[in-house]
Amino acid sequence: DAGITQSPRHKVTETGTPVTLRCHQTENHRYMYWYRQDPGHGLRLIHYSYGVKDTDKGEVSDGYSVSRSKTEDFLLTLESATSSQTSVYFCAISESNVGIMNTEAFFGQGTRLTVV
Amino acid sequence: AQSVTQLDSQVPVFEEAPVELRCNYSSSVSVYLFWYVQYPNQGLQLLLKYLSGSTLVKSINGFEAEFNKSQTSFHLRKPSVHISDTAEYFCAVSKSGGSYIPTFGRGTSLIVHP
Repeated sequence: DAGITQSPRHKVTETGTPVTLRCHQTENHRYMYWYRQDPGHGLRLIHYSYGVKDTDKGEVSDGYSVSRSKTEDFLLTLESATSSQTSVYFCAISESNVGIMNTEAFFGQGTRLTVV
Repeated sequence: AQSVTQLDSQVPVFEEAPVELRCNYSSSVSVYLFWYVQYPNQGLQLLLKYLSGSTLVKSINGFEAEFNKSQTSFHLRKPSVHISDTAEYFCAVSKSGGSYIPTFGRGTSLIVHP
């Protein structure tokens, strides 16, 4: 199994509070992603990173920010949590070697976030 | 941009029966195609992928999928399912070459009944 750890695994927070989810990898993979999973919507990309301090928005980035100060850590922050951000959040990683594209994403176990 | 449509949100089937989970994609460029499986309370795992070459790809646990460029489809099949195949299945697409950023379908819940 790929070394991906998400923390916390479960969290309940109140509307309006900031929340940070952490994804830690031990694979030294270049790409890291944050997805949210909601019934009827599948997985939707929030943000991704293609290197330290290199990040870009996905299709549902509003209300979220990310940071990647080290290869192994990718943080997702909800600046002011809302009930619509209640979801299961997945971190994923993939690698891209020079001349070779490793076309597979490895997923963490997920973080279940409830905003009340 | 690319998109994925999984036509069935839920597929109930009896054990040992065949099953097909449908996936269609839309893209203006060449693509890679994937099926991922998610068991309850777990993350996603890659089941199989098409990158190039033979259009029929197989997994180690009996699933197979065929890339059909003219139909823009990548349907997943298994000739005889087991109870343990009960899971959520996601089809995904990414453009070939360049950054690998998979776009996922909404998922199909495969429910295998005894």
